[in-house]
Amino acid sequence: AQSVTQPDIHITVSEGASLELRCNYSYGATPYLFWYVQSPGQGLQLLLKYFSGDTLVQGIKGFEAEFKRSQSSFNLRKPSVHWSDAAEYFCAVGSGYGNKLVFGAGTILRVKS
Amino acid sequence: NAGVTQTPKFQVLKTGQSMTLQCAQDMNHEYMSWYRQDPGMGLRLIHYSVGAGITDQGEVPNGYNVSRSTTEDFPLRLLSAAPSQTSVYFCASRHKVNTEAFFGQGTRLTVV
Repeated sequence: AQSVTQPDIHITVSEGASLELRCNYSYGATPYLFWYVQSPGQGLQLLLKYFSGDTLVQGIKGFEAEFKRSQSSFNLRKPSVHWSDAAEYFCAVGSGYGNKLVFGAGTILRVKS
Repeated sequence: NAGVTQTPKFQVLKTGQSMTLQCAQDMNHEYMSWYRQDPGMGLRLIHYSVGAGITDQGEVPNGYNVSRSTTEDFPLRLLSAAPSQTSVYFCASRHKVNTEAFFGQGTRLTVV
């Protein structure tokens, strides 16, 4: 069965500092991988996705993620965090059939000035 | 372009009551699904559908029913509400060919 682990429940970074959010997945086939962001009281917005091809994917708001098959990881990065990036971030793995996404528990990002 | 629309945004139910959460999408997506979000647990799949007339259970289906009579609509029915169903519910849709899921704004449900 698919599973996703986000080991960090909370992360606090200073504005302007770099960010890396960790995501490890378990899936038997080629995974479809996603990062979503959720601001308080809002729905989920897609940051980026990986289906195939280049293992370094670029997303919106200056985020990128790297797929490493050998480590079963899909970590999210941003070189310089802005206060508006404070939110909860979810990693998800999906199969090609249906709309069955398995989400991690989420990482809450706090940004201090 | 409305995307995925959920109604209502907020709802309070008494234990044992029934209700239907509505979800509609205008993108002609084949795949639709319902998730519930609880603190520290991410989103968990309740039911999903791969097309009109076809539904299947997800990870946490007990206490919920769905139907898909049209491509656009995918309502979620709570048969007899329980406090354990207090949660935020999200509907999502996706085109079947390798695209991301689009989410509605959510319904915050409280069962007292």
